[in-house]
Amino acid sequence: GESVGLHLPTLSVQEGDNSIINCAYSNSASDYFIWYKQESGKGPQFIIDIRSNMDKRQGQRVTVLLNKTVKHLSLQIAATQPGDSAVYFCAEGGFGNEKLTFGTGTRLTIIP
Amino acid sequence: ETGVTQSPTHLIKTRGQQVTLRCSSQSGHNTVSWYQQALGQGPQFIFQYYREEENGRGNFPPRFSGLQFPNYSSELNVNALELDDSALYLCASSRREPGTDTQYFGPGTRLTVL
Repeated sequence: GESVGLHLPTLSVQEGDNSIINCAYSNSASDYFIWYKQESGKGPQFIIDIRSNMDKRQGQRVTVLLNKTVKHLSLQIAATQPGDSAVYFCAEGGFGNEKLTFGTGTRLTIIP
Repeated sequence: ETGVTQSPTHLIKTRGQQVTLRCSSQSGHNTVSWYQQALGQGPQFIFQYYREEENGRGNFPPRFSGLQFPNYSSELNVNALELDDSALYLCASSRREPGTDTQYFGPGTRLTVL
């Protein structure tokens, strides 16, 4: 969850293509992982979550994959649309979810 | 929309002043967490309130304090404002029960300290 300043990793994807956003999390004791989407000037919007006893979870057009061995999380967005353009954050939490630790964030741009 | 509301939307203060930010949680939620998001960075956890008591705190000084009310709404107070306190302040509400603890965020309050 360390910040890296203004230079967010960026990903540009053609509209209609699939996108994959990756995240390395820091705490092997984390039990709960979430992806949020944040559009400019707005608060983070919940996309999908997964618990540590799962390695894959699917939602509408989105899939989250969890690899606990290498502490890696990914978000796959199928058939991207212009409205998917935003900054995407992964976050990790403990069993009681007292605190979420956010990753760096990735700026996704959908090219029409 | 998450049903989490925050006020005010924007606020400008000067160094040394005090500020109070407010958050109304989503219906059915009993827990409020506060985060600070500096420009270009991810949100940083400040603290969480559950049953009107602080339930976990991040690496923020004591001049950051909060309250939770019986209706589960919450306030964030910051004393002796510093320039580095300029940020988007987010609250997130959740329901503290097993398996239903997803945090839903409000739109945030943009604080500028001059």
